Amino acid sequence: QLQLQESGPGLVKPSETLSLTCTVSGGSISSSSSYWGWVRQPPGKGLEWIGSIYYSGSTYYNPSLKSRVTISVDTSKNQFSLKLSSVTAADTAVYYCARRAGGRELGPWGQGTLVTVSS
Amino acid sequence: DIQMTQSPSSLSASVGDRVTITCRASQGISNYLAWFQQKPGKAPKSLIYAASNLQGGVPSKFSGSGSGTDFTLTISSLQPEDIATYYCQQYKSYPLTFGGGTKVEIK
Repeated sequence: QLQLQESGPGLVKPSETLSLTCTVSGGSISSSSSYWGWVRQPPGKGLEWIGSIYYSGSTYYNPSLKSRVTISVDTSKNQFSLKLSSVTAADTAVYYCARRAGGRELGPWGQGTLVTVSS
Repeated sequence: DIQMTQSPSSLSASVGDRVTITCRASQGISNYLAWFQQKPGKAPKSLIYAASNLQGGVPSKFSGSGSGTDFTLTISSLQPEDIATYYCQQYKSYPLTFGGGTKVEIK
């Protein structure tokens, strides 16, 4: 059964870079037609897609975040990562990683990790 | 970008009631629509994909319909375990977008 798990610092200072990693288990990140992505949810608010990456490195980003986002993949570790630069308090959120297989909906999802931006 | 508008933003219904949530896309998305259920502190869980297909293991009291721009999620008989926030999501094109959510409570 495919499982995803987010990891990374829970506290980031304003203006710094948020870095998270998603580890995939129970399947290969190099699976054809699977994209791997990030979604965030500010406390008490809705869901926002951040971006997705194919194992080859091809990416799609949300235009609203594109200038600050980098998603990368490490097939040797079966992991993909998110970097969000120049963070502010507005970037405080639960960050989820998720797979998108075969042009379908997102799923499965990781359990999520709360990242707080504060000095 | 395709905007997804859900209504209502919240609702309160009695146990056993039939509940309907609507989702409207700003442009046609065929049937590239999913519905998610999210309980507090948990990741979203997929209920329905391709507008009307039930995910494996999801109770048949959940159903989805629609195509193009207008979609609905129906819970045929509301139970206490259905208390959650429900989101629609379009996957016709990038950027993937979600509706604002509908919080379902028991009256």
